[in-house]
Amino acid sequence: EDQVTQSPEALRLQEGESSSLNCSYTVSGLRGLFWYRQDPGKGPEFLFTLYSAGEEKEKERLKATLTKKESFLHITAPKPEDSATYLCAGKSGTYKYIFGTGTRLKVLA
Amino acid sequence: EADIYQTPRYLVIGTGKKITLECSQTMGHDKMYWYQQDPGMELHLIHYSYGVNSTEKGDLSSESTVSRIRTEHFPLTLESARPSHTSQYLCASSEWEGTTMNTEAFFGQGTRLTVV
Repeated sequence: EDQVTQSPEALRLQEGESSSLNCSYTVSGLRGLFWYRQDPGKGPEFLFTLYSAGEEKEKERLKATLTKKESFLHITAPKPEDSATYLCAGKSGTYKYIFGTGTRLKVLA
Repeated sequence: EADIYQTPRYLVIGTGKKITLECSQTMGHDKMYWYQQDPGMELHLIHYSYGVNSTEKGDLSSESTVSRIRTEHFPLTLESARPSHTSQYLCASSEWEGTTMNTEAFFGQGTRLTVV
């Protein structure tokens, strides 16, 4: 059965304290691994797509990486405005996005 | 600016009422989706569409129905709302994979539905 598991469930960081979020996946015929940011009461905002093991993408303080079993979202020197829930999703087939439950990140000033 | 819009953002309605949640996108995407999300839980797919006049049920059983008469519009209807329908409803769209490498889905801001 296709599954995406994210850890930790919640993470508190001091401003400037770098860390990584983990996304473990078992998705048959993976057609993309996606990272989203979701603020309270809003829809997910697209961040990155990764297609093959070894691929990396960066945007400001965020860097996403992909292996055959996991993806990591590295946050370098985070700021309070990075506080949000980060969602990981794997795509199987032509329509099915399998989402994890997310990591709730809180960055303290 | 290309985007995906949902209205209303918030809706409080009584049991037994009929409701329609609106979703429109200006990105020209063929595929559209409806997801349901409860606090702290993953997104669950309840409906999807490959294009005009194409609609399918998702993995999560839902009493709602959808229609796709125009490419840009994908409304969701509940004929008789119940408290169990209280949730956040998210609409999304994506390109057709056959024409692009961009397979990511883009989401609207969501509708928070409360049935009392």
